[in-house]
Amino acid sequence: KNEVEQSPQNLTAQEGEFITINCSYSVGISALHWLQQHPGGGIVSLFMLSSGKKKHGRLIATINIQEKHSSLHITASHPRDSAVYICAVTGGGADGLTFGKGTHLIIQP
Amino acid sequence: NAGVTQTPKFQVLKTGQSMTLQCAQDMNHNSMYWYRQDPGMGLRLIYYSASEGTTDKGEVPNGYNVSRLNKREFSLRLESAAPSQTSVYFCASSEVLGADTEAFFGQGTRLTVV
Repeated sequence: KNEVEQSPQNLTAQEGEFITINCSYSVGISALHWLQQHPGGGIVSLFMLSSGKKKHGRLIATINIQEKHSSLHITASHPRDSAVYICAVTGGGADGLTFGKGTHLIIQP
Repeated sequence: NAGVTQTPKFQVLKTGQSMTLQCAQDMNHNSMYWYRQDPGMGLRLIYYSASEGTTDKGEVPNGYNVSRLNKREFSLRLESAAPSQTSVYFCASSEVLGADTEAFFGQGTRLTVV
């Protein structure tokens, strides 16, 4: 079973700061997902990547397959970015996604 | 575009009661999943359905049953609810099981068993 570790568990920052959330996993994967969950809300997929880097607006996700590590960056952070960010991996097997415990991000005005 | 729709959004049950959580997707996805989310833990897979007509156990299946009614619908049943089943439940779907395809999640069902 893949072990997915996220850091930090909690992060509080000021509006405008550059944010980095890290994810590491123990077993080779076929894809890694970054998900966002607002308080009391559903889960939304931000990125799915298997190599390199993807960018969507102020969000950037990178992955290093050799090091089994991914990062999610938020540039020019805003209070509306406050949410739990979840890393999940799939090995292409029959058991769907394996999830990290999430990073609780608070952006203060 | 409804995506993945779960009902109900909230439910309180007494220990021993039964209930069914409903999930439907309108994206013509083959694979559907039920997860539970508990404080301090990542989402854990309860059951999944790789395709219409098939279901399989995930990591934490005890106390639950599922039915893949058709390609759109995948329900989760608690036959005799226990306080340990207090959790937030998420249904999800993806185009193909195990492939590198995006997963879509419902809004969640917050279940309390007293």
